[in-house]
Amino acid sequence: EAQVTQNPRYLITVTGKKLTVTCSQNMNHEYMSWYRQDPGLGLRQIYYSMNVEVTDKGDVPEGYKVSRKEKRNFPLILESPSPNQTSLYFCASRLRPRGAGNLYVQYFGPGTRLTVT
Amino acid sequence: ILNVEQSPQSLHVQEGDSTNFTCSFPSSNFYALHWYRWETAKSPEALFVMTLNGDEKKKGRISATLNTKEGYSYLYIKGSQPEDSATYLCAFQGAQKLVFGQGTRLTINP
Repeated sequence: EAQVTQNPRYLITVTGKKLTVTCSQNMNHEYMSWYRQDPGLGLRQIYYSMNVEVTDKGDVPEGYKVSRKEKRNFPLILESPSPNQTSLYFCASRLRPRGAGNLYVQYFGPGTRLTVT
Repeated sequence: ILNVEQSPQSLHVQEGDSTNFTCSFPSSNFYALHWYRWETAKSPEALFVMTLNGDEKKKGRISATLNTKEGYSYLYIKGSQPEDSATYLCAFQGAQKLVFGQGTRLTINP
């Protein structure tokens, strides 16, 4: 089954304790990204990756790191989490169909609900 | 800063009624408009990707229209069912990335 998986789904942690949220896709997609969802706001992009070893900042990258060593995996790292990073996080990957120009379909993981106390 | 607005933010509809909601987006540098359906505790799922002005897409009881000149899209649900309860997200695809609206949370009352 084509899917994007994230782990963990729920995490409660304390300020300053490093954590990693894993993301994996089995669709051979080149483009992957991380979003955070906060009440009253749309999904905001944190980081994205166009391909292996190619990453770039999104709209809200402060306090986050990513890596893309393999095509299928795109972990999100919080080196020193703070309470303002309490949020719902989504990983996504997308397919650019052949002949579709700039069109694509984006697939999302199930989300990781992070609470930092 | 690109602004994508969805209205209303939340909506309660009686089962069997039809409903619609709006996504407003910039009319310049437009590539596509995406609609997603997001059920609680699940992944947002793509409903439609629309590109052409005047385009209309349909999937079962759900349909969407697109006006790129004035910068809006409508999503319609005909004969609402409890399983339609979800948050509906739209996203503007410009040259660089997707910009999401804040969503319309739809609740169907049995």
